[in-house]
Amino acid sequence: DAGVIQSPRHEVTEMGQEVTLRCKPISGHDYLFWYRQTMMRGLELLIYFNNNVPIDDSGMPEDRFSAKMPNASFSTLKIQPSEPRDSAVYFCASSFFEGNQPQHFGDGTRLSIL
Amino acid sequence: RKEVEQDPGPFNVPEGATVAFNCTYSNSASQSFFWYRQDCRKEPKLLMSVYSSGNEDGRFTAQLNRASQYISLLIRDSKLSDSATYLCVVNKGGSYIPTFGRGTSLIVHP
Repeated sequence: DAGVIQSPRHEVTEMGQEVTLRCKPISGHDYLFWYRQTMMRGLELLIYFNNNVPIDDSGMPEDRFSAKMPNASFSTLKIQPSEPRDSAVYFCASSFFEGNQPQHFGDGTRLSIL
Repeated sequence: RKEVEQDPGPFNVPEGATVAFNCTYSNSASQSFFWYRQDCRKEPKLLMSVYSSGNEDGRFTAQLNRASQYISLLIRDSKLSDSATYLCVVNKGGSYIPTFGRGTSLIVHP
């Protein structure tokens, strides 16, 4: 079975550039989550979707971050303009909502902003 | 008080040792609990769910103490390959959405 697929695996870009991270959740999962992980702050939930609809974006750090889920099999997280402090590993995860089900994570995108 | 708290460690133990981690949570309405394992530079992966009656999976035992609001993970006969960071996950009271602890680092040495 295909797991959660993220792309790119690594991204290095210069400050001020637009960055787009992509995620394909596991087929049939109702929920999709975007996380950011750093040594300083651990794993932070940025935003999550239920049936393609954004439910809670209170974790999005500022207006430079935006996320979309145009259909059940694709989501993007965009940073524009990027800043060095955005450097982190960004994970996408998906899950069923049947009672309380665990999340399945993608491999992550390792983002470095120079 | 943080929603989910873990001792960051590291716990440094020899092979074969038994080690236990606790994780406390602040919301008494929390309903679901999990332990995840994260290897260096990898994604978190589900280790086991935590059920009210406690549950075991091979060398791993998870328990829930609702009265004191903590969950625990016990690892028996530690292996070198158990070296990783262990994250506890608790859903927010009233919703399914999980909150991750910062993780506990385990180092198993020969």
